[in-house]
Parts: sequence; structure tokens; C-alpha cells
Amino acid sequence: AQSVTQLDSQVPVFEEAPVELRCNYSSSVSVYLFWYVQYPNQGLQLLLKYLSGSTLVKGINGFEAEFNKSQTSFHLRKPSVHISDTAEYFCAVSHYGGATNKLIFGTGTLLAVQP
Amino acid sequence: DVKVTQSSRYLVKRTGEKVFLECVQDMDHENMFWYRQDPGLGLRLIYFSYDVKMKEKGDIPEGYSVSREKKERFSLILESASTNQTSMYLCASSSLLAGTYNEQFFGPGTRLTVL
Repeated sequence: AQSVTQLDSQVPVFEEAPVELRCNYSSSVSVYLFWYVQYPNQGLQLLLKYLSGSTLVKGINGFEAEFNKSQTSFHLRKPSVHISDTAEYFCAVSHYGGATNKLIFGTGTLLAVQP
Repeated sequence: DVKVTQSSRYLVKRTGEKVFLECVQDMDHENMFWYRQDPGLGLRLIYFSYDVKMKEKGDIPEGYSVSREKKERFSLILESASTNQTSMYLCASSSLLAGTYNEQFFGPGTRLTVL
């Protein structure tokens, strides 16, 4: 069975500092990986996705993530955060070629950017 | 752009009432999903549907039912609302087309309070 672990429930960081949000997954087969962002009182929107190919994926708003198959990780990074990046971030995994169409979500990480 | 709309942003109901949450998507997606989101628990799948009149239970279906009479519309029904169903409810849709990789598109959410 697939699962996704986001170990950090909350990450406080100062404006213009770098940040990394951690995501680890478990799966016995190849996967697709996603990061979604949820701004306060809104739905989720896609930040970036890894499907295949280059392990470094660039997304919107200056975020990027690196797929590491040996460590089963897909950590999200941004070199310099802004106040407007304050939001909850969800990592999700989908089974490559599987019969199910579901995404498995982590429990989320709240990024709190302070001035 | 894909648009997923939900009938209400905020809803207040009384214990025992029958509650309908409506979701409509405009991109002809085959799959539709209902999640509830609670602090610290992330997104939990209630039900999903992969075709008209087809439905499958998710991880927490107890106390809920769904209806999909038309491809674009997916309704979540709380037969007899209880206070422990106070939550944020998110609807999502995705395509079965090759190359979409199960990416889901989300509505803005309905924050339901049951008194």
C-alpha cells in the first residue's frame, strides 16, 4: 500500500530565508508525485508534479522539488520565501499505471512566514 | 482552465438535518472526489466516482452518501448531520485521459458547521 509522510506539521521561517518542506513516500511500484498548496480559506492548487525524466522539478511561485528514488523522498524547496507563501502544503502520490485513480495525500505542512 | 465549483463556501446546519453539498466541474472529467479536511489529519477521502451513477467508498464513508446523476455534478449527502461532521469539505475532479497522471483539480471548499 502507498503512503505519504510529511513529518513537519508546521515550519516557521523568516521572510527571504530558504525553506525545505519534507515529503517521504512508500510504494512498491513507480509513482507520480505532486505538491499542492492551499492558501487560507481556499481549495488546493497544484504547485508542481514529477512524472518522469529529470529529478528536479520546477513549479509556480519559485518553488522546486527533487525526486530521490533511493530515499523515496520528494522534498519541496524555495531559496527565498515571501510573506505571501504562508499556506499549507500537501504532498501526494499516485500509483503509476495502477487501476485506481486516487491520490494519497500527506497530512500537510503549514508554512508560516514571519517578517 | 478547469473550474470546479461548490455550491456554498460556508454552511451552518443543525444536528439531525439532511445536508446536500453540491459540486460541479466544467471539463468533462470522468472522476470526481469528495474529501473532508480536518486540522492535523490532512485530506481524507469520503467517496469517489469514476462514471455517472458509479461510486466507490473512500476511507471514511460512514455517515455519508453520494449521488452522480450527471457527469459534471457530484453531490455529497449527510443523511442526518452530527456535530462530528463539522469540517471543511473539498470536491475534486480528474481526467482518465492518458497523460493526465491522476492530477486532481479542486473546488474552493465548503466549511460546514453542525450545531
